[in-house]
Amino acid sequence: EADIYQTPRYLVIGTGKKITLECSQTMGHDKMYWYQQDPGMELHLIHYSYGVNSTEKGDLSSESTVSRIRTEHFPLTLESARPSHTSQYLCASSGYPGLAGGGAKNIQYFGAGTRLSVL
Amino acid sequence: DAKTTQPTSMDCAEGRAANLPCNHSTISGNEYVYWYRQIHSQGPQYIIHGLKNNETNEMASLIITEDRKSSTLILPHATLRDTAVYYCIVRVPSGGGADGLTFGKGTHLIIQP
Repeated sequence: EADIYQTPRYLVIGTGKKITLECSQTMGHDKMYWYQQDPGMELHLIHYSYGVNSTEKGDLSSESTVSRIRTEHFPLTLESARPSHTSQYLCASSGYPGLAGGGAKNIQYFGAGTRLSVL
Repeated sequence: DAKTTQPTSMDCAEGRAANLPCNHSTISGNEYVYWYRQIHSQGPQYIIHGLKNNETNEMASLIITEDRKSSTLILPHATLRDTAVYYCIVRVPSGGGADGLTFGKGTHLIIQP
């Protein structure tokens, strides 16, 4: 069973606020990802990381930023939230092929998501 | 990643087998077929994957045609909790680069009581 946690589950915040969405995994996975999903729409990759001190932009442009100081932790930050940032944000992790805990065949394990509403 | 085609929605009676098709006619030799599902408002959940042989685990079975151009996910005894959007994804296990999953629109499976 996957052990990847996102907090908060729901967040309602006013425009202009700085927010950080937390994501942690206890599986020792090197790779971590952030996806964005609007209601009823497809998931889109916005950030990923190969490991500590590695961060890359995904397929969908996002004003958010990420950091990877520790293997298990991959927070996402919005410096100034806007209504256009209202969405669900999903974090995932996977190990390298050949390693235990999801490494084989690059299976991604997802957290429950954070539903963000910016007023 | 190879493109996949899935029906938009399907219904299945509770207790019956749910068979979800996926077409991937442009699949290449080193690409696997992965299935995930997303129950409303939750994160996607991995179900099963395969290369060319049929696969079975505690959740489902995966049948891949001999030419690998299509596959079927089978939930043997569907329950109401299986109502979800099911995604068929075709990709190499780890291709470097972004390595993110391309989910597409999937099939909305509705289990009827």
